[in-house]
Amino acid sequence: DAGVIQSPRHEVTEMGQEVTLRCKPISGHNSLFWYRQTMMRGLELLIYFNNNVPIDDSGMPEDRFSAKMPNASFSTLKIQPSEPRDSAVYFCAIASGGAAEQYFGPGTRLTVT
Amino acid sequence: GENVEQHPSTLSVQEGDSAVIKCTYSDSASNYFPWYKQELGKRPQLIIDIRSNVGEKKDQRIAVTLNKTAKHFSLHITETQPEDSAVYFCAAQFYFGSGTKLNVKP
Repeated sequence: DAGVIQSPRHEVTEMGQEVTLRCKPISGHNSLFWYRQTMMRGLELLIYFNNNVPIDDSGMPEDRFSAKMPNASFSTLKIQPSEPRDSAVYFCAIASGGAAEQYFGPGTRLTVT
Repeated sequence: GENVEQHPSTLSVQEGDSAVIKCTYSDSASNYFPWYKQELGKRPQLIIDIRSNVGEKKDQRIAVTLNKTAKHFSLHITETQPEDSAVYFCAAQFYFGSGTKLNVKP
């Protein structure tokens, strides 16, 4: 888990509930990315931040999804209200810019029933 | 944004054979092309990358080629081993292809 901590690792919730996923970069990288991975859609970029500022959120599915990065050491991805089609593994990744190796966290497996 | 296409979606080879995975991208401004390996239940991890000022890069059994004019790049794995079995993703900057599931049969 060196580099990125994600919590929770597993989340099971009922449709309509609010879900908050957390990412805590350990080392000093200035870019942070949120991805969603499903069998059908692969690894989708949801949003990325550079120096804590959202740069590209075009991958955020809809208004139910929101992401924040209040400081360099913490980011959240919130889904409200959650739906069964949101079930996926959500990865947080960090990098030193947009053209550099990404270090992925272990992921959060979200199941919405 | 960038659009990355990856082929094939699945690839089965005999141990010792070579494997080739191909990707295309749409944004000519992209200048960084990494490849990631993801084993079952684990996170993607970088195996090799190439930048736009280089046409080819090799690291032991793995090589990548890049054709900027045609906007395509490829991953070549030689002398494949069962432990190479995994899903491989190409990316242009941080936009990923759909993945290739490689199965190396002993």
